[in-house]
Parts: sequence; structure tokens; C-alpha cells
Amino acid sequence: GQQLNQSPQSMFIQEGEDVSMNCTSSSIFNTWLWYKQDPGEGPVLLIALYKAGELTSNGRLTAQFGITRKDSFLNISASIPSDVGIYFCAGQFGANSKLTFGKGITLSVRP
Amino acid sequence: KAGVTQTPRYLIKTRGQQVTLSCSPISGHRSVSWYQQTPGQGLQFLFEYFSETQRNKGNFPGRFSGRQFSNSRSEMNVSTLELGDSALYLCASSPREMGQETQYFGPGTRLLVL
Repeated sequence: GQQLNQSPQSMFIQEGEDVSMNCTSSSIFNTWLWYKQDPGEGPVLLIALYKAGELTSNGRLTAQFGITRKDSFLNISASIPSDVGIYFCAGQFGANSKLTFGKGITLSVRP
Repeated sequence: KAGVTQTPRYLIKTRGQQVTLSCSPISGHRSVSWYQQTPGQGLQFLFEYFSETQRNKGNFPGRFSGRQFSNSRSEMNVSTLELGDSALYLCASSPREMGQETQYFGPGTRLLVL
């Protein structure tokens, strides 16, 4: 079955630093989504990508849909303490298929 | 628009009991998906309902079931609860526009089975 790989499981950065996360798949996806989850809450959609090569920004966040359609990247610039949380990638192959989620990366930001 | 709402937010049950969780999607969204989230397994897909029909199903036992009503509200039921069913249950709604899948999550129901 389709699987999404996110690594490492945890990342520790200093406030003000930039951080990059990637998500890879063994199969092709036609939609990539990035979510952030705070403790005790549901995931919140950060960025949605629908086209190979697409680069989309949302404030300090930038995400890219890989050309091969088997990967996606999320960059956070000038990190702040509220960036702490779990970042999930999700992919979908077809219009009626389910979303597949990665296991998430826990980001910690040191003040 | 109001976001996805889930009730109850917290629930404590004992083994062998059954539980029903409720999800109200964003107005106009016809698709509702359910996920189980545990620390070890991450987000595991349970099932998706679209226009009152189950469209996709994950690899969960038959004790997990769901349904969707004509107003798109959805319920999930777990029968004969086991300790391992303790988890955060998340519901997500989507407009399911062709070619553009975007799911919006509710806050979740945290279930503890004793």
C-alpha cells in the first residue's frame, strides 16, 4: 500500500532559525497537503499543493510539490516558539481515494 | 463558516461497552472521514462517507462502523470496546471538489477505555 515517510521523528531548532522538512513516497500522489497539530487539538491545514513543481507560500511557510510527484517539502523561515507542534504531510492519488498521512515530525523551538 | 465540530470532546468507557461519536462537517461539505490517532501508530484512516455512502474504508475490524445522514453529519460507533481503542478520534470534512482534495479536521474526541 501507499506509505509516506517523514523523518526524523523529532527536530530541535533555535528560535529564529529556518527549518526544512520533507516527505517521500514510494508511489505517485496528485495532491500533497501539510498539516500542523498542537497538543490536544486536531490537525490544521497549512498548505495544499495540487500540481507537480508547484511552490506555495503561507506567511513564513513555503511548500513544494516535487517534480517526480513522489515527494514534497515544507520550509519554515525565522521560526518562533508557536511553531512548536507536530507537522504531518498527506498525499492523495486519485480524486476519490483516501488521504495517506505520514507519521509526523515533532518540532521543538528553543527560545 | 463554522469549522468541523465533534462531540463529545472527552469520553471514558470500560471494556466491553460501546460508544458513539458525532461529527458535524463544515457547511456545504459532503465528505466526512474518520481517523484514529495514537502515539505509536499516528493517524490511521477508518472510513470516509460521501453523500451517505461509505466510499473508502481502512483496515479496522468490524467493531468500528459509521454512517452519514442526509445533512452530512456523521457518527462513528465502536462496539465491544477494548483497551487498545483508547485514542484521539478525528473527523475531517471535505468539499471533495474534483481534483482538489482538502480535508479540514475537527478538534477530536479523546476516548479512554478502562
